[in-house]
Amino acid sequence: DTTVKQNPRYKLARVGKPVNLICSQTMNHDTMYWYQKKPNQAPKLLLFYYDKILNREADTFEKFQSSRPNNSFCSLYIGSAGLEYSAMYLCASSTGATYAEQFFGPGTRLTVL
Amino acid sequence: GQQVQQSPASLVLQEGENAELQCNFSSTATRLQWFYQRPGGSLVSLLSNPSGTKHTGRLTSTTVTKERRGSLHISSSQITDSGTYLCAMEFNTGNYKYVFGAGTRLKVIA
Repeated sequence: DTTVKQNPRYKLARVGKPVNLICSQTMNHDTMYWYQKKPNQAPKLLLFYYDKILNREADTFEKFQSSRPNNSFCSLYIGSAGLEYSAMYLCASSTGATYAEQFFGPGTRLTVL
Repeated sequence: GQQVQQSPASLVLQEGENAELQCNFSSTATRLQWFYQRPGGSLVSLLSNPSGTKHTGRLTSTTVTKERRGSLHISSSQITDSGTYLCAMEFNTGNYKYVFGAGTRLKVIA
């Protein structure tokens, strides 16, 4: 099974409320990624886990948290959602090796009102 | 930092015409991967090749690493090919990260 699953597919949140998005894969991949994609913009890497090590991008460091309780699951957590967080959130996984392909999930569309 | 530029930004074709999408990148890359996205849909991986030419169906991906460019050729376009085509580069920094281009929005009309 080469699929990456994401839950929920659609999420509606109120400004100031927390949001938790879930991703899972059963390919035993070392690396899991979270991207944010807004319409007509390139997907933007937010953070990634290589095994248990979390790497967050400098410009989103304080806005997003993540946890990886085991190899298969990875969450993306927003402590206090703002309107600017409305976007598609894409999870991906790979073996982490050079030339390794990233496999993407279907995405979670987050709308903040 | 590493950058990926895609061109054209948008393209309209008659059904049956061929499309050539370009991807230029700012520094040495170890992988180029092409993705397709239907409006509101998820990313679907099309082709991935660090260098040379790779085919699948009506798609041909060519990467010329030394010239820091890649292309995706779509032959005999169909209406169902409409959507956004994104290229993503893994740069030679050993940190497993992709940098995406902003995409080419393709519309195929009858």
